[in-house]
Amino acid sequence: AQKITQTQPGMFVQEKEAVTLDCTYDTSDPSYGLFWYKQPSSGEMIFLIYQGSYDQQNATEGRYSLNFQKARKSANLVISASQLGDSAMYFCAMTPPNTGNQFYFGTGTSLTVIP
Amino acid sequence: DAGVIQSPRHEVTEMGQEVTLRCKPISGHNSLFWYRQTMMRGLELLIYFNNNVPIDDSGMPEDRFSAKMPNASFSTLKIQPSEPRDSAVYFCASTRTEASYEQYFGPGTRLTVT
Repeated sequence: AQKITQTQPGMFVQEKEAVTLDCTYDTSDPSYGLFWYKQPSSGEMIFLIYQGSYDQQNATEGRYSLNFQKARKSANLVISASQLGDSAMYFCAMTPPNTGNQFYFGTGTSLTVIP
Repeated sequence: DAGVIQSPRHEVTEMGQEVTLRCKPISGHNSLFWYRQTMMRGLELLIYFNNNVPIDDSGMPEDRFSAKMPNASFSTLKIQPSEPRDSAVYFCASTRTEASYEQYFGPGTRLTVT
């Protein structure tokens, strides 16, 4: 069975500092995709970053980077230079192969950026 | 592109009434997902369709819930009869299944059953 674990229900970070949000996953499939989504208080789900299991390099998108450690089955999201607008819920998700791109979501981490 | 469209955005209904939530996926996407989000249970996948065919409905809580996708551009999620515990935000998302593409989420429907 596929499983995503986010162990940090809530995190705080000082504005302009970097923060790491943890995500571990459990799968026996060699091929899978990993995603991070942001959900601000307004409720919409915003795609942030994607990492393929065969990608050699860690994915980066602006201030977002994914620290992918395949052997440890972890896909932590790193947000650099935090901004007040980064305060939101963050969800890690995985899609195994041959599932029609079905997502398995973690329980989320609530990030608060402190001015 | 207009993105995934959901209607209504907010719905308040009395227990026992029928509720129908609607979703229009992004044109060209061939998979559609219905999720429910609550504080207690987080994001739950209810059902997903591939090329308009329901593939996995194991997340549908009970027979009161039903979903249809009559064509590639429209899907409904129906609750009949509704109960207070159905109160949640219901998201629709769409994607392409050829590779690991991100799912594009609609704005959600906030359902309150009194």
